[in-house]
Amino acid sequence: AQSVSQHNHHVILSEAASLELGCNYSYGGTVNLFWYVQYPGQHLQLLLKYFSGDPLVKGIKGFEAEFIKSKFSFNLRKPSVQWSDTAEYFCAVNMNSGYSTLTFGKGTMLLVSP
Amino acid sequence: DTGVSQNPRHKITKRGQNVTFRCDPISEHNRLYWYRQTLGQGPEFLTYFQNEAQLEKSRLLSDRFSAERPKGSFSTLEIQRTEQGDSAMYLCASSPTGLSNQPQHFGDGTRLSIL
Repeated sequence: AQSVSQHNHHVILSEAASLELGCNYSYGGTVNLFWYVQYPGQHLQLLLKYFSGDPLVKGIKGFEAEFIKSKFSFNLRKPSVQWSDTAEYFCAVNMNSGYSTLTFGKGTMLLVSP
Repeated sequence: DTGVSQNPRHKITKRGQNVTFRCDPISEHNRLYWYRQTLGQGPEFLTYFQNEAQLEKSRLLSDRFSAERPKGSFSTLEIQRTEQGDSAMYLCASSPTGLSNQPQHFGDGTRLSIL
């Protein structure tokens, strides 16, 4: 069974600091990878996704993620965080074969102090 | 707002009671998913529908749980004889089809608290 591991449960940063959230998955086949974000009081929203092609994908609000197949990783990055980035971030994976349900990591709570 | 709608937002009930949640997916989305999220965890898959057909159920979905999507539009999730361990956020999501590379759109969830 596939699984997703997010390394940090809580991250605290000051505004303008750089962000990197780790995500590793365990699955031997071809996968699709997603980062979802949940702002306080809101529903889960897609931040970015990787299916194929360029392993460096760009998402909304200045976020990007790099798929490193050899490391089974899909880390999320942002060069300079803002207070409004305070949210919970979830990495998710599914098999890139027809129909497939998502497996989520436990999430990382990011708190950005002004 | 044409997003995924879930009702109620909160449900408090006594142990042993039955509860039912409703999900209205984005219009014309054929695939509908139910997830459960507990504190400190990410969403965990429960079941999904392709139109009105329930195609897969997780081991988390005990026989006290039942889900329906009778006309391929809205869906209901019922929990019978609720237990303390059922306390969680129940999330619904939808996607246009079930293709794995299509992102799912989530609702706000229904928070269930068992007294």
